[in-house]
Amino acid sequence: AQKITQTQPGMFVQEKEAVTLDCTYDTSDPSYGLFWYKQPSSGEMIFLIYQGSYDQQNATEGRYSLNFQKARKSANLVISASQLGDSAMYFCAMRELDRGSTLGRLYFGRGTQLTVWP
Amino acid sequence: DSGVTQTPKHLITATGQRVTLRCSPRSGDLSVYWYQQSLDQGLQFLIQYYNGEERAKGNILERFSAQQFPDLHSELNLSSLELGDSALYFCASSEGSGANVLTFGAGSRLTVL
Repeated sequence: AQKITQTQPGMFVQEKEAVTLDCTYDTSDPSYGLFWYKQPSSGEMIFLIYQGSYDQQNATEGRYSLNFQKARKSANLVISASQLGDSAMYFCAMRELDRGSTLGRLYFGRGTQLTVWP
Repeated sequence: DSGVTQTPKHLITATGQRVTLRCSPRSGDLSVYWYQQSLDQGLQFLIQYYNGEERAKGNILERFSAQQFPDLHSELNLSSLELGDSALYFCASSEGSGANVLTFGAGSRLTVL
């Protein structure tokens, strides 16, 4: 089974609007971390936001927020006030905390290509 | 600049050849991860080192090998290259504590002709 599922291959949003990128995950581990990365056309992977499985509040970083619904095993990324520079591929990732260790690998989804239009 | 340095940025070679990709982690980071990104497979975890020791292995082919040196830089060796090995190879590093966010390098794009 896929650890991370991103069901939206592509999304379009108008500048200044908000957009939600979907991510569901699959784990039986009670401790895990969820990450979102952005990959612009230039290719580099840029970390955006992190949510721990025991964090009580949804993570926020500037215009990025993570809508964490533990029971549904979803960790959707919300980008508010979209900008043209937000056009990129967005990846959701998960790490299972093996006996509490945060050293484990990240499992990545297939990504969602976001296009912001003027 | 993420602080993770990968060389070379681009590499074109022929089938059957061998190449070495190099990664210098961010200062202070002890853990290095290698990922392969291709259109059909997405981002695939290859291998992880922590402070010089191999910590985890993913979908790494037997033709591929890696190591982390005492100065913490890492090399990924790819041999008997096939057309399907063409991909973007990422190195990422992390300090190994807290949320342990991975910081990625810019990647090495390998083209096998």
